[in-house]
Amino acid sequence: NAGVMQNPRHLVRRRGQEARLRCSPMKGHSHVYWYRQLPEEGLKFMVYLQKENIIDESGMPKERFSAEFPKEGPSILRIQQVVRGDSAAYFCASFPSREAWFNYGYTFGSGTRLTVV
Amino acid sequence: QQQVKQSPQSLIVQKGGISIINCAYENTAFDYFPWYQQFPGKGPALLIAIRPDVSEKKEGRFTISFNKSAKQFSLHIMDSQPGDSATYFCAASITSGTYKYIFGTGTRLKVLA
Repeated sequence: NAGVMQNPRHLVRRRGQEARLRCSPMKGHSHVYWYRQLPEEGLKFMVYLQKENIIDESGMPKERFSAEFPKEGPSILRIQQVVRGDSAAYFCASFPSREAWFNYGYTFGSGTRLTVV
Repeated sequence: QQQVKQSPQSLIVQKGGISIINCAYENTAFDYFPWYQQFPGKGPALLIAIRPDVSEKKEGRFTISFNKSAKQFSLHIMDSQPGDSATYFCAASITSGTYKYIFGTGTRLKVLA
């Protein structure tokens, strides 16, 4: 089991472009989270998805940001018309069940570092 | 109400010493308090977690102390080692909710050899 895979590891976008961040959760994990980490800050919750459903998007900015977790394939965090303030590390995390969450927490990926120039 | 305040921001400890990181919260609905460890370039990994029905939990050199009345909890790293040098995040969650965490701002620990 390769763990939670995120790609790309580093992404550079010019202002106004689109950024697509991909996350493949661990095999058997149906709960996927996205968190954003700004420089020198803690992680901020963005969105919680299960297959084909958005469960909680209370941390997502109202505009330009969207997330999906299709039946097949990775979860995608999409940022349209990026601005400099979007520069951050974006982490994906997953877990298989409530019991596993209690005992082992999330399994985080290594993150995608987005730089907007 | 949704914040978790963490201190200190950075900490330098001699090898063999005790590292102490503190967190405080306001929302009394929080009922699950994990600590995560993050090395540079990596995602955070769960270190240890506690529920408010116990005042202390120990796993190896790592201990969480929990004070429910003060709404504070802390991480103690005994016999700190250079390999413990990392950023540590406390977090809080509501177990009847959507399993999301409210993270503290992190403590960068450096253990000197």
